[in-house]
Amino acid sequence: NFMLTQPHSVSESPGKTVTISCTRSSGSIASNYVQWYQQRPGSSPTTVIYEDNQRPSGVPDRFSGSIDSSSNSASLTISGLKTEDEADYYCQSYDSSNHYVFGTGTKVTVL
Amino acid sequence: EVQLVQSGAEVKKPGESLKISCKGSGYTFTSYWIAWVRQMPGKGLEWMGIIYPGDSDTRYSPSFQGQVTISADKSISTAYLQWSSLKASDTAMYYCAKLGCSSNTCYLSDNWFDPWGQGTLVTVSS
Repeated sequence: NFMLTQPHSVSESPGKTVTISCTRSSGSIASNYVQWYQQRPGSSPTTVIYEDNQRPSGVPDRFSGSIDSSSNSASLTISGLKTEDEADYYCQSYDSSNHYVFGTGTKVTVL
Repeated sequence: EVQLVQSGAEVKKPGESLKISCKGSGYTFTSYWIAWVRQMPGKGLEWMGIIYPGDSDTRYSPSFQGQVTISADKSISTAYLQWSSLKASDTAMYYCAKLGCSSNTCYLSDNWFDPWGQGTLVTVSS
């Protein structure tokens, strides 16, 4: 089993860029795809990145995902930050023994 | 449009049983796994288990094995999550989600959760 650890919170001003990390505790981050979900207050999660770096249709290109094997982590970058981006973000991957694993979640605040 | 519609909020007492539902539409219900995810108040997402409605193949997270039962009725495109004896610690929002992938054939490891249902709030209190 592995865990996916995210920073508890990040904050930045509108128009700026934030990057959220998702660090895998054991095994290679590249072993399985990483997804990212956005959960606005009072709403269900929605997908903003799938298969490490793919954006679903309708998700603005301000959202991007990447994998870094050297730090064994995935990252979600939101550029040109907007107030509507204020939400909780969760990474997710797959563990063959425990099936699906969610990250600890990061609260993004737009100052 | 692919949609998952969940049953309404429930208020129960400890020891009572409960079955909540998740109805799929806009896609072939029997061809995609359905997942259940728990979110306790103010906390993160926890994967509970999955079911393949086509043959009712079910897998549970070790954390939830024996605590809940996942089932499906493919004739009405509905998946279920049930408890035989609720505890106060079961108070949470429960989401269902369709698993999907970008290929015509893929392994479970290639799937992600999309879309999600609107959630069912379960409150257990004496």
